[in-house]
Amino acid sequence: AQSVTQLDSQVPVFEEAPVELRCNYSSSVSVYLFWYVQYPNQGLQLLLKYLSGSTLVKGINGFEAEFNKSQTSFHLRKPSVHISDTAEYFCAVSAPSGNTGKLIFGQGTTLQVKP
Amino acid sequence: ETGVTQSPTHLIKTRGQQVTLRCSSQSGHNTVSWYQQALGQGPQFIFQYYREEENGRGNFPPRFSGLQFPNYSSELNVNALELDDSALYLCASSPGGGASYNEQFFGPGTRLTVL
Repeated sequence: AQSVTQLDSQVPVFEEAPVELRCNYSSSVSVYLFWYVQYPNQGLQLLLKYLSGSTLVKGINGFEAEFNKSQTSFHLRKPSVHISDTAEYFCAVSAPSGNTGKLIFGQGTTLQVKP
Repeated sequence: ETGVTQSPTHLIKTRGQQVTLRCSSQSGHNTVSWYQQALGQGPQFIFQYYREEENGRGNFPPRFSGLQFPNYSSELNVNALELDDSALYLCASSPGGGASYNEQFFGPGTRLTVL
């Protein structure tokens, strides 16, 4: 079984500052890793995903994440945030074996960008 | 290209009633997954449908059931509603039979309130 822990429930940051949202996972098998963003009253939108290969993954809106297998982490970073980045961010995993592709989500991190 | 749509947007029911939620998948997608997102939590996988058959199920009781139609749209039915069923219900569609590496595209969700 897999599980995901997002280490911060809320992250306040000033506009144009860098930010890191932390995600650790637990799994006995290799996993695929995802970051989704949820704006108020909307569904989830994929920011980026790690399937294999380079451990540094670049996504949309200037976000990137680094897969660290030894630390079982997949932290999300952005060098300079904007007010519009204020949203809920979810880290998720899925297991390559089997064919359901079900996503297992963390509890979410609220990013609050202040002017 | 039309994205994932869900109806209704909001719904209020009383305990013990039954509810049906609807989802239209994105064009070209043959797999639909349903998730329950309680307030302040990450989404939890309910089940997935592929080719009109259930293709994986999370830890939800049998009173949660679903259907997928030949056009790949889907319904989620919940019988004997309980207060804890109050949540945002998210539908996600994907191509390729639910393979784990495929992106799941989420709809805006249906907010269900059980009184």
